[in-house]
Amino acid sequence: DAGVIQSPRHEVTEMGQEVTLRCKPISGHNSLFWYRQTMMRGLELLIYFNNNVPIDDSGMPEDRFSAKMPNASFSTLKIQPSEPRDSAVYFCASSLHRDGTFGSGTRLTVV
Amino acid sequence: QKEVEQNSGPLSVPEGAIASLNCTYSDRGSQSFFWYRQYSGKSPELIMSIYSNGDKEDGRFTAQLNKASQYVSLLIRDSQPSDSATYLCAVQDNNNDMRFGAGTRLTVKP
Repeated sequence: DAGVIQSPRHEVTEMGQEVTLRCKPISGHNSLFWYRQTMMRGLELLIYFNNNVPIDDSGMPEDRFSAKMPNASFSTLKIQPSEPRDSAVYFCASSLHRDGTFGSGTRLTVV
Repeated sequence: QKEVEQNSGPLSVPEGAIASLNCTYSDRGSQSFFWYRQYSGKSPELIMSIYSNGDKEDGRFTAQLNKASQYVSLLIRDSQPSDSATYLCAVQDNNNDMRFGAGTRLTVKP
C-alpha cells in the first residue's frame, strides 16, 4: 500500500487566492482526518469524516475553510480566500477504527 | 472542549538514560491512546498504542495508562540520539475523533 497520499507537497500562493489540498486515504480505511500544524498551535484537528460523512468540523477555523469527501478514496480541503495566517503544514490522516496513518503533508505558504 | 495537554519541553536527557513523557486529557469518554513520534520536517508516525489501564511494553518503549487519573505516559529506556524528536500524545473517543497534544520535544545528548 502506498500509504496516505497528499498533494501538492508544497504550495505558495498569494493572499486572496483559492487553495485546494488533496488527500487519498489508505484503501479500506473508513475514517479521514484533516489537521493543521503550526509552531504556535501544534497539531489541530480541523475536520474528520467517518464513512465519507463529516462527523466533527468544529475545528474548521471559519467559513473560508471547507472540506469534502465525495468518495472513500478522495478528500479535499479548500481555503477561499486564503490569508497569510493560513500558512501552515496541513496533514491528512486515515484510520480503520483506531490509530491514524499520516500523509506527508502539504506545506502551505500564503504571501 | 476536549483537551490533551503535554509539557512542551524541551526535555533533555543524556544518552542511555530513561526519558519520561507525560500527557493528560480531559474527556473521560476517551477509549484509545497513542504516542506518535515526529522528526523535524516529517509527518507523525505511530510508535505505541494503549487501550487499557496499566503498562504496555514494546522494545525500549513503555506506555502507561491511568484512566481514573486521566493520564498517559511514555517511557523510553536506554535513550539514543536517534530518539531526539517531538513526541505527540493522541487521544481518541468512541466516535473515532482523534485529538493531539502540542507535543514534547525530546533531545538525547550523546
